Amino acid sequence: DAGITQSPRHKVTETGTPVTLRCHQTENHRYMYWYRQDPGHGLRLIHYSYGVKDTDKGEVSDGYSVSRSKTEDFLLTLESATSSQTSVYFCAISDPRGDTGELFFGEGSRLTVL
Amino acid sequence: DQQVKQNSPSLSVQEGRISILNCDYTNSMFDYFLWYKKYPAEGPTFLISISSIKDKNEDGRFTVFLNKSAKHLSLHIVPSQPGDSAVYFCAASARGFGNEKLTFGTGTRLTIIP
Repeated sequence: DAGITQSPRHKVTETGTPVTLRCHQTENHRYMYWYRQDPGHGLRLIHYSYGVKDTDKGEVSDGYSVSRSKTEDFLLTLESATSSQTSVYFCAISDPRGDTGELFFGEGSRLTVL
Repeated sequence: DQQVKQNSPSLSVQEGRISILNCDYTNSMFDYFLWYKKYPAEGPTFLISISSIKDKNEDGRFTVFLNKSAKHLSLHIVPSQPGDSAVYFCAASARGFGNEKLTFGTGTRLTIIP
């Protein structure tokens, strides 16, 4: 298994509060991603990073920000959580030198915004 | 705009028979295609991939077929086993164009009936 740890694994919070999800990898892969999974939508890319301090927006980035100060850590922040951000969040990593562009996923963080 | 489409939300197959999962895409720049399998409360795991220079790739019980002219790919599982019951996601990227990001379909829930 790829060394990817997401924390917290479960969180319940109230509308308007800030939330930070953490992804930590031990594989030294350059690329990291945050996806959310929702019924009927599959996995949608929120933000991604191609290196330290190099981040960019995905298809559903509104209301989210990210930071990557070290290769191994990629943080996803909801500045003011809304009920529409209730979801399961997955972190993923990849090595651009790989043959297939395969992403390795963490186990997910389930966020409930009341 | 859904660039990767899985039009069957669910599929039930008898154990031992063939399971065929389908995926369509619209972006002509996609050149790598992957299938992921997901069990409840776990992250997606990579199953099999194919590049656009091939039309078939096999790995044990799993075969992926790519029809570039139709922008269609399919995953065949034979024989189907109870452990294959999961949600399957099709994904695509434009690696040859420097785009490592994976775009996912909405998933197909496969149920293998004993």
